[in-house]
Amino acid sequence: NAGVTQTPKFQVLKTGQSMTLQCAQDMNHNSMYWYRQDPGMGLRLIYYSASEGTTDKGEVPNGYNVSRLNKREFSLRLESAAPSQTSVYFCASSGGLAGAPNYNEQFFGPGTRLTVL
Amino acid sequence: QKEVEQDPGPLSVPEGAIVSLNCTYSNSAFQYFMWYRQYSRKGPELLMYTYSSGNKEDGRFTAQVDKSSKYISLFIRDSQPSDSATYLCAMRGTSYDKVIFGPGTSLSVIP
Repeated sequence: NAGVTQTPKFQVLKTGQSMTLQCAQDMNHNSMYWYRQDPGMGLRLIYYSASEGTTDKGEVPNGYNVSRLNKREFSLRLESAAPSQTSVYFCASSGGLAGAPNYNEQFFGPGTRLTVL
Repeated sequence: QKEVEQDPGPLSVPEGAIVSLNCTYSNSAFQYFMWYRQYSRKGPELLMYTYSSGNKEDGRFTAQVDKSSKYISLFIRDSQPSDSATYLCAMRGTSYDKVIFGPGTSLSVIP
């Protein structure tokens, strides 16, 4: 049981380049999330997917797109990378019953460290 | 004002000390309160989960919520070097709301 996996672990891009961050979970969770973590800012939600086939914007969606490919996989795409997107990106998933106390207990991947020059 | 605030630290304590980590928040609709632990270069992991006001104990860890003051705390007794990590508080309103994270407090426990 791998939990939440993310690829790549590290990436360096030049301004204007594009890339896709991959995330997969093997816990049969319905909901998946993308966060970015910056010093002093905590975790900020970029996009989330409450279930397969749906995606919604979070707090900081500008400059990003997502795809919920199937129940397991949720990818994050940077179409034209900017230095302000230098950050650590975490994918998370959650799968409790809707309305149950643990509904939003989130399991996180190991992160992708992205530098945009 | 940020919705959830935490002293970023770093906090450095000797092994065996009692540690108190705190968060304040502004949204009175928050009902579910969580503490995540994040080791260096790892993803956060859920440590404790509390609903509404009161205390919850799990081994050396105690989570406390005071909704009237909009203040939550995590106490660590007999702290160990393995407790050295960043501690993130998190909270949400209803079961369907998104989780809002604090910026985290960095803790070092010195042997």
